[in-house]
Amino acid sequence: GAGVSQSPSNKVTEKGKDVELRCDPISGHTALYWYRQSLGQGLEFLIYFQGNSAPDKSGLPSDRFSAERTGGSVSTLTIQRTQQEDSAVYLCASSPRTGLGGEQYFGPGTRLTVT
Amino acid sequence: SQQGEEDPQALSIQEGENATMNCSYKTSINNLQWYRQNSGRGLVHLILIRSNEREKHSGRLRVTLDTSKKSSSLLITASRAADTASYFCAITRDAGNKLTFGGGTRVLVKP
Repeated sequence: GAGVSQSPSNKVTEKGKDVELRCDPISGHTALYWYRQSLGQGLEFLIYFQGNSAPDKSGLPSDRFSAERTGGSVSTLTIQRTQQEDSAVYLCASSPRTGLGGEQYFGPGTRLTVT
Repeated sequence: SQQGEEDPQALSIQEGENATMNCSYKTSINNLQWYRQNSGRGLVHLILIRSNEREKHSGRLRVTLDTSKKSSSLLITASRAADTASYFCAITRDAGNKLTFGGGTRVLVKP
């Protein structure tokens, strides 16, 4: 079946612009996660959605970052007024369940470059 | 922020040899997982070990967990060139299952 997809695969933007990154999780997966990977910070958790519960935003680095998940499926990560330190690969993952823990299925990522 | 540390940071071996990498962490855990990443993009789940387990096998992979030492190891036996990748350990600490990653080990398997 189809895996997690992300778009765009690459995005180059000018400092100060807003960007939107999209994630399509595996159908039926109730949990959706955003992570980012950068040279300086490694792999970091950003935000997590589980069903209709309030998202866990504890990993968002600043209020310029926000995310939503519509209809329990597709998610969009928005970065406002981008800065050069936002340059990273943004990874989305989904999982069929939480609570007991389990593996996460990652998308190919969006490489964001802020010039 | 990263909770785990992995060593070595990089490992170069010949095809057919075994590769061992270690992961240490700082807090109590629900489970510990290992992921592989090729070419700096998406991660692939390899194996999950729960906090009440000590050892787990999957094909050529063997994972151990020592919660008293807060450490885990991943052994890849009879390595192949296709095993060339970065390997990350990740812990979960709560029901949300969000992953906290280590810094990763870059493995190069030479044919």
